[in-house]
Amino acid sequence: GAGVSQSPSNKVTEKGKDVELRCDPISGHTALYWYRQSLGQGLEFLIYFQGNSAPDKSGLPSDRFSAERTGGSVSTLTIQRTQQEDSAVYLCASSRTPNINYGYTFGSGTRLTVV
Amino acid sequence: QKEVEQDPGPLSVPEGAIVSLNCTYSNSAFQYFMWYRQYSRKGPELLMYTYSSGNKEDGRFTAQVDKSSKYISLFIRDSQPSDSATYLCAMSAGGATNKLIFGTGTLLAVQP
Repeated sequence: GAGVSQSPSNKVTEKGKDVELRCDPISGHTALYWYRQSLGQGLEFLIYFQGNSAPDKSGLPSDRFSAERTGGSVSTLTIQRTQQEDSAVYLCASSRTPNINYGYTFGSGTRLTVV
Repeated sequence: QKEVEQDPGPLSVPEGAIVSLNCTYSNSAFQYFMWYRQYSRKGPELLMYTYSSGNKEDGRFTAQVDKSSKYISLFIRDSQPSDSATYLCAMSAGGATNKLIFGTGTLLAVQP
């Protein structure tokens, strides 16, 4: 596609429920990143994919968070047993390669609210 | 202490003013420096990229990096209401993952 697509754009869920967030990167982009943006906290790195592999998942805050990527394309971030502190905007970005010169292209994010 | 510090603002300026946005950092391994602009309810978009120390100019925007002081700046000349957004600094040490570390962002409002 022309840009990075994320769905849903907004998600309200009850505490304790599981949620799945989807990211569709730009076609041909091998590198994919998930970030979380909380009020006053800036963007926090969660996980990096190169192809279908995740060589860096150091930012996942707990074992309730997991992510996968299939076919070197679509990625899903899953949060199990959601907590109120999980409320944030979850941003996905892709890059042609991890090479810094290409920069990242971000999606518009999924705004998650846990009530 | 955070690796990257950025004044959150908000910063309000009149149209046509020169805007100065700044970040400081603590990790001397950072060598790639970026500024992203983020409009409300949108994802960040890359505005400026600089490698190592020095200046880079693109139209009304100038990015400066001073590695000796661990200090980076973004200047906006002749600011316009359309420049109203949150500006995020980001930096990376490079490497296999090219993970970016972001500042918290500065909210800028340019008043017409």
